[in-house]
Amino acid sequence: GAVVSQHPSWVICKSGTSVKIECRSLDFQATTMFWYRQFPKQSLMLMATSNEGSKATYEQGVEKDKFLINHASLTLSTLTVTSAHPEDSSFYICSARLDRGRRYEQYFGPGTRLTVT
Amino acid sequence: AQRVTQPEKLLSVFKGAPVELKCNYSYSGSPELFWYVQYSRQRLQLLLRHISRESIKGFTADLNKGETSFHLKKPFAQEEDSAMYYCALSGSARQLTFGSGTQLTVLP
Repeated sequence: GAVVSQHPSWVICKSGTSVKIECRSLDFQATTMFWYRQFPKQSLMLMATSNEGSKATYEQGVEKDKFLINHASLTLSTLTVTSAHPEDSSFYICSARLDRGRRYEQYFGPGTRLTVT
Repeated sequence: AQRVTQPEKLLSVFKGAPVELKCNYSYSGSPELFWYVQYSRQRLQLLLRHISRESIKGFTADLNKGETSFHLKKPFAQEEDSAMYYCALSGSARQLTFGSGTQLTVLP
């Protein structure tokens, strides 16, 4: 089956620093990837849609200058949390969409736990 | 706008009992509905989608357009079914909107 990886699986950083999270589709190409944020015992909140070769589409309320998304290839999207603050601490999940004509399916990464101290 | 509502945050049933996880949605067009499951310490994975009309691990879900519901059912719950279940909707943009999730616990 299709596999999506994320790196790192967890990261601790100091306030004011930037952190980059990678999302890779290992055995398929994905023109569209998604970034979600999940708070403890809560649902996934879509942050942005990452489109290969073009700018990401951010959801309302998500700061595009703070959460930089780059989708440079058909198998890699990155999320950079810039000038991180403790309130950015969360679980970040990516997914990659596999399009098969009219059918499609999203495959999820294992998530990245970010802790900002 | 698209919205998914899962009214139960927590649901506990005994092993062998029937289980139903409720999901209601709102969407102006023709949505595609999904159920995703997240087992403890594992990634989110697709359980089933309405267009497939299949049964996975004994679970079924029927799309009721009149009631705008997509409830997940299983006649005999097993302990290994304990997990977090998310109902999700995809519209024309092919992006998922998730419900708040229901934590199912199957008691021995």
